[in-house]
Amino acid sequence: DTGVSQDPRHKITKRGQNVTFRCDPISEHNRLYWYRQTLGQGPEFLTYFQNEAQLEKSRLLSNRFSAERPKGSFSTLEIQRTEQGDSAMYLCASSIQGGVSPNEKLFFGSGTQLSVL
Amino acid sequence: AQKITQTQPGMFVQEKEAVTLDCTYDTSDPSYGLFWYKQPSSGEMIFLIYQGSYDQQNATEGRYSLNFQKARKSANLVISASQLGDSAMYFCAMREMDLTGANSKLTFGKGITLSVRP
Repeated sequence: DTGVSQDPRHKITKRGQNVTFRCDPISEHNRLYWYRQTLGQGPEFLTYFQNEAQLEKSRLLSNRFSAERPKGSFSTLEIQRTEQGDSAMYLCASSIQGGVSPNEKLFFGSGTQLSVL
Repeated sequence: AQKITQTQPGMFVQEKEAVTLDCTYDTSDPSYGLFWYKQPSSGEMIFLIYQGSYDQQNATEGRYSLNFQKARKSANLVISASQLGDSAMYFCAMREMDLTGANSKLTFGKGITLSVRP
C-alpha cells in the first residue's frame, strides 16, 4: 500500500494556460475526492467520485474545471484558462466505503501546489 | 454560519506537556462524524482521530483524545506528552449525514498552528 499519489507536486503556469493534475488513489479504494486549499484556510471540497461516477460537484467548481476518473482508478483534474485566483494546493483523497456512514476516513495525498503567474 | 469553527490562531506548548486544540461545530443533523487531521509542512493531511455523534465514550488514539461535548457542540483535541514532531497545522472536520447518505463531503475548519518548544 503506497498511499495516495499526486503528480506533479508543484506546477507553475502563466495565466490563460491549461493545467492537468493526476491522482492515483490507494488501490481498492472506491471513492476519490478533490479538495482545494488556499493559504491559511482549511481544504474546500471540489468534487468526488464513487468508482467512475462523479456524484457531487461544489459550486466552487466553475466550468473551467473538469475532473474525470476513467475506469474508476486514477483521476485527473483539469483547469482551463487558468486565473491567478486558481493558485492553491489541490489535494486528492481516497476512501473505501461500502455504505452510508459518517465514519468514512479519507486518506490524503501530499497535494499539487499550483502557482498561476 | 460556519460549520466548523477553530478560533485559536496559534498555539505553543512545551515539549512533554499536554495541549488542547479547540473546535466547535454547527449542525442540525442527528447523525454526523467529527475528525481531526494533522498537516505538517510536507502538505499531506494525516488522519488522527474520529468521533461519531452517537458514540457514548470520548475517542482515544494513542496520545490523542477527543473531548466531545455534544450539548455544547464542541470536539476539542487533546494531545498528551507533546513531541517536537507534533508541530503542524491541525484541522477539525465534520461529515453530516442526510437521509440518503449522498452528502458525503468532509467540511474543514480553518485550522490551528501548533508549535512545540524544546
